[in-house]
Formats: sequence, C-alpha cells, structure tokens
Amino acid sequence: AQSVTQLGSHVSVSEGALVLLRCNYSSSVPPYLFWYVQYPNQGLQLLLKYTSAATLVKGINGFEAEFKKSETSFHLTKPSAHMSDAAEYFCAVWWSGFGNEKLTFGTGTRLTIIP
Amino acid sequence: DAGVTQSPTHLIKTRGQQVTLRCSPKSGHDTVSWYQQALGQGPQFIFQYYEEEERQRGNFPDRFSGHQFPNYSSELNVNALLLGDSALYLCASSYRLAGGLGTPYEQYFGPGTRLTVT
Repeated sequence: AQSVTQLGSHVSVSEGALVLLRCNYSSSVPPYLFWYVQYPNQGLQLLLKYTSAATLVKGINGFEAEFKKSETSFHLTKPSAHMSDAAEYFCAVWWSGFGNEKLTFGTGTRLTIIP
Repeated sequence: DAGVTQSPTHLIKTRGQQVTLRCSPKSGHDTVSWYQQALGQGPQFIFQYYEEEERQRGNFPDRFSGHQFPNYSSELNVNALLLGDSALYLCASSYRLAGGLGTPYEQYFGPGTRLTVT
C-alpha cells in the first residue's frame, strides 16, 4: 500500500524565514507525489507534483520540493515566508495501476506565519 | 471558465436523514472524484465516477452512493446519516486520459460542502 506521513501538524515560521514542511512516503513502486494547499474555507489547490521527470520540482507561489529516494522524502520548501502562505498543506501520493487510481493524502500541516 | 462548483455550501441535517450533494466539473473534464475531509484530517477518497459509472471506491460503507449524469456532473448521496458523517465533502474533477493510462491526471477541487449532522 502507498501512503504518506507528514511530520508536524503545526509549523510556525517568521515572515521572511525559510519554510520547511516534511513529507515521507511509503511505496513499493516509484511514486507520484503531490503537494496541495488549502486556504480557509476553500478547496485544495495543487502546488506542485513529482512524476519522475526531475527530482527538484518547482511549483507556484515560490514553493519547491525535492524527491529523495534514499530518504523516501518529498519535503516542501520556500526560501522566504510571506503572510499569505498561512494555510493548510497536504502531501499526497497517487496510487498507480489501472483500475486502482486515487490520491491518498497525509493528515496535513497547518502553517502559521509570525509577523 | 468556471472551475469546479459544488452546492450547497453548507448543510445541517439530523441523524438518520438522507442528504444529496452536487458537483459540476470544470469544463472539459469527464471524471469526478469525491472526498470526505473530517475536521483536522486530510481528505479521504470516497469514490470516482467516469462514463456514468463508479470506477473506484474507497473504504466507505454502502450508505455512501453516487451518480454521474451525461453532462458529467455528479451527486453524492449519504443515507442514514451519523454524527461521524459531519465533514467537508470535496469534489474533484479531471480529464481521465490527460496523462495517459496509468499516469496521474491533475484533479481540480471545488470549495466543498460543509455537512453538519446533529
């Protein structure tokens, strides 16, 4: 079975500081991995996705993530936090295989930005 | 171009009642997936509809059922509501073959329907 684990349900960083949100995956085959963001009272928006083309993936709003097979990780980073980054972030893995396709999400990390 | 829309926005029901939630996919999309997001949790996959048939199903009881119409819109029905069914229900649409068979296709999420069961 494929799954993701997000370490830290709450993360607080100061405005302008580095953002690091952790995600580890468990998969018996090369995974497809995603990061989504959810702002209050809204649905999920795709930030970026890893589909084996490149290990360093750049997304929207200045976010990027690096796929590290040796560490089974796909951590999300942003060099300088902005107040507008405050939201809930979800890591997700795609169940590959025809006939069994779905996204499995982690439990989420709530990011708070300190002025 | 309107994105994924869901109705209603909020809903309050009593235990034992039945509820129907609606979803209109993004233009050009043919696949609709439904997710349940309990408070403080990540979304959990309920099921997926394509070509008016349920194609995939998560670990949810038969009380959860759905339908897809010829215009690709979809309904989620929940019977015999329980307090534990209180959650945000998210609909996501996609174009099934956007990435080819077996490769992930981007899902676009709607704003969700907040269901409260009392």
